[in-house]
Amino acid sequence: GGIITQTPKFLIGQEGQKLTLKCQQNFNHDTMYWYRQDSGKGLRLIYYSITENDLQKGDLSEGYDASREKKSSFSLTVTSAQKNEMAVFLCASSMAISNERLFFGHGTKLSVL
Amino acid sequence: GDSVTQTEGQVALSEEDFLTIHCNYSASGYPTLFWYVQYPGEGPQLLFRASRDKEKGSSRGFEATYDKGTTSFHLRKASVQESDSAVYYCALSENTGYQNFYFGKGTSLTVIP
Repeated sequence: GGIITQTPKFLIGQEGQKLTLKCQQNFNHDTMYWYRQDSGKGLRLIYYSITENDLQKGDLSEGYDASREKKSSFSLTVTSAQKNEMAVFLCASSMAISNERLFFGHGTKLSVL
Repeated sequence: GDSVTQTEGQVALSEEDFLTIHCNYSASGYPTLFWYVQYPGEGPQLLFRASRDKEKGSSRGFEATYDKGTTSFHLRKASVQESDSAVYYCALSENTGYQNFYFGKGTSLTVIP
């Protein structure tokens, strides 16, 4: 079986700071995703990538950048952290076949002071 | 656009109670429907999925039936246990050249022993 590893588990930043979250998968999946999870709002798609060096914006991409330099890794950058922001960022991957499921990492919890 | 609606935001039950979490969807095509479960400190994991009308998905005593007529995929369990306490997400995916997933807002289930 494979695994998705997200680093760091916890991230504390300052207002206005640029923050980077990393994700690695060893499933050899083509497609990778970044979701933001807020209580009561479910999972909202920030960016996804269908192959190495590909980037596609989701519904919540404003304020974020992403990078997929290798098939196995997908990073997300918060371009300017917002004061009192608190959310969990989930990385996921899937095979590029219809009806296939998502596999998720354990998340990075962000707090901005 | 596609969407998933979960009616219940929070559910509190006693052990051995019957569980129903309602999920309705809106999709232009013929989506695959999923239930994911998320335990504290972990990412969501697949509970089960269904791809065809009238198909029943099931796992660990949970079940749901794909109903195209009522556009529903309600989650049910006859007798819940304390260990079922978690957040449950209904989701759909449509194969549009890549896997595009839509999630409901999630239902937090607390089972009181």
